[in-house]
Amino acid sequence: ILNVEQSPQSLHVQEGDSTNFTCSFPSSNFYALHWYRWETAKSPEALFVMTLNGDEKKKGRISATLNTKEGYSYLYIKGSQPEDSATYLCAPSGYSTLTFGKGTMLLVSP
Amino acid sequence: GAVVSQHPSRVICKSGTSVKIECRSLDFQATTMFWYRQFPKQSLMLMATSNEGSKATYEQGVEKDKFLINHASLTLSTLTVTSAHPEDSSFYICSADNRLGEQYFGPGTRLTVT
Repeated sequence: ILNVEQSPQSLHVQEGDSTNFTCSFPSSNFYALHWYRWETAKSPEALFVMTLNGDEKKKGRISATLNTKEGYSYLYIKGSQPEDSATYLCAPSGYSTLTFGKGTMLLVSP
Repeated sequence: GAVVSQHPSRVICKSGTSVKIECRSLDFQATTMFWYRQFPKQSLMLMATSNEGSKATYEQGVEKDKFLINHASLTLSTLTVTSAHPEDSSFYICSADNRLGEQYFGPGTRLTVT
């Protein structure tokens, strides 16, 4: 089982603040890194799938970077809105595995 | 830290047979467990919510007679894929709620139906 760490565990920000989370994972046998936005009892929403070292992806106010050599990925949210409140999960995958981190729980207050 | 296990991690079966996947919370009690599947290159899809001692709640489009869920104890939920077909081949993941609002995912089970 891969050791996947996400930090911080939880985060409470005000509307309009920008924020970022970290996902750390073993760099060996890396295949892809997935970021999901997840609300309990719902299907996680896929945000990004990244495979190449140095990859940067953007979707609206959310962006992510990937460093496969050192085994980390950052997720950024610019100008947080209350609707961004959710748990953000990262999941590195090997050829036939997918291991989830425990997530970062984000709460954005109006 | 909280640990959720799944067994088996990989299974290959012949078309028409049934396969049982176990999800266990190893060091906490989980009144609620969730079952997901992931198709290649797609996001996780919630299949059902499993509540201890009661019937599971299935998401729209998921056949309850095809995917039998049993949550017999506070630490164990099982998903049985009945009369499996190749299109059921997928990655099945469970998660467990530790009753503090925290979710922990299992390592997943890769099912291949030949």
